[in-house]
This record gives sequence, structure tokens and C-alpha cells, in this order.
Amino acid sequence: DAKTTQPNSMESNEEEPVHLPCNHSTISGTDYIHWYRQLPSQGPEYVIHGLTSNVNNRMASLAIAEDRKSSTLILHRATLRDAAVYYCILRDGSATNKLIFGTGTLLAVQP
Amino acid sequence: DAGITQSPRHKVTETGTPVTLRCHQTENHRYMYWYRQDPGHGLRLIHYSYGVKDTDKGEVSDGYSVSRSKTEDFLLTLESATSSQTSVYFCAISDSRDSREQYFGPGTRLTVT
Repeated sequence: DAKTTQPNSMESNEEEPVHLPCNHSTISGTDYIHWYRQLPSQGPEYVIHGLTSNVNNRMASLAIAEDRKSSTLILHRATLRDAAVYYCILRDGSATNKLIFGTGTLLAVQP
Repeated sequence: DAGITQSPRHKVTETGTPVTLRCHQTENHRYMYWYRQDPGHGLRLIHYSYGVKDTDKGEVSDGYSVSRSKTEDFLLTLESATSSQTSVYFCAISDSRDSREQYFGPGTRLTVT
């Protein structure tokens, strides 16, 4: 399974944009890039996903490099409720819907 | 929120005893998953199900078995619990193989003494 590399932790200030990076240099052509986040004492929740093009939804934006070897999750205005562990995951679109989680990035948001 | 419940939410048991964790969904989703979460490892897939009576192993299946006799219930059994199985267990569901989202339950904290 293709692996991802993320920083262990990041800090942000409230109401500022946050850019969470992810490297996935061994990504294959059928791998989707998914982002999930896990708030304290809760199960993970879906944030966004993409294949090749940049994606936007109500929670965040996903910017995918042209060679697809890296991606960035963008939170446009961080709030205190965005403090969580963010997981960047590659899902093989040609196989079963199994997610392989890494250790993620712990995002701290300062007021 | 997706209708997923896990029971029990907390359990303390002794080494060598059998333990069964239950995941119940009200979404009629076909796929169900069991993960465990340990410090430094993120979430790891134990077993998953792609239909009633259809299950398969994940990356850390040793010491665990599962059963799915109804669409809404997915049971995870530790036949003889060990201290290494102390963990937080999450159930997840999705409606198709290509579903963009898995919906996770609230988790069960299991301590094996």
C-alpha cells in the first residue's frame, strides 16, 4: 500500500489559513487522496478527497500537485474546533474501500 | 451524523477471557469495518465485511474474529484477550466499495489487565 508522509504537528492562529502538507511520492495512477480528521475522543471524520484536480467543499480545499506526489489540505480560516489530528490517506480506487491510516498531523489552533 | 453505535463504550477485562464488541448501524450500508487505534500507529484495519456473512482480514487480524449475520450488526470477538489488545476500537461503515467516505462510530475503549 502506498504510504504518506506528514509532519507530526503544526500550529496555527485562530481565523488564519492553515496549509497541511502531505507527501506521497509512491502514489499510483488509481490512488485517490483522502483526508480525514479526528477530534479529541471521537472517531475520524471525512474531510475531502481528490484524484487529480483541486477540490473544494464546505470544510476545506485540497490542492494536488501536478505530478500528484504531494498534496495540501487548506483550511481557509482555522477555528478552535479545527484542532484535531489530520490524516492524509491514499485509497486504491481499483481495490476494496480500505483506508490505510498513517500517524497524521496534530493541528493546534491558538486563540 | 451516520447512525452508528458501538457497545460497550468502555470495558475492562482480564487476560484470557473472551470479549465481543458490537457495532450496530441504521444506515443499511453494505460495508463495515473494524479498526484499532494505538498511540504511534494511527488506525489499523482489523477485519472488514462486504455483505452478510462476507468478511475478510485486514492488516492486524491475528487474535480477532468477526461475524456478520445481519446487515446492521458487525461483531468483533477476541477469543482470549491479551494485554496487547488493549486499545480503542472503532467501527466504520460505507455504502459502496467506491464510496468516498467511511463513517466512524464513537469507539470502544478496551483494557485488558
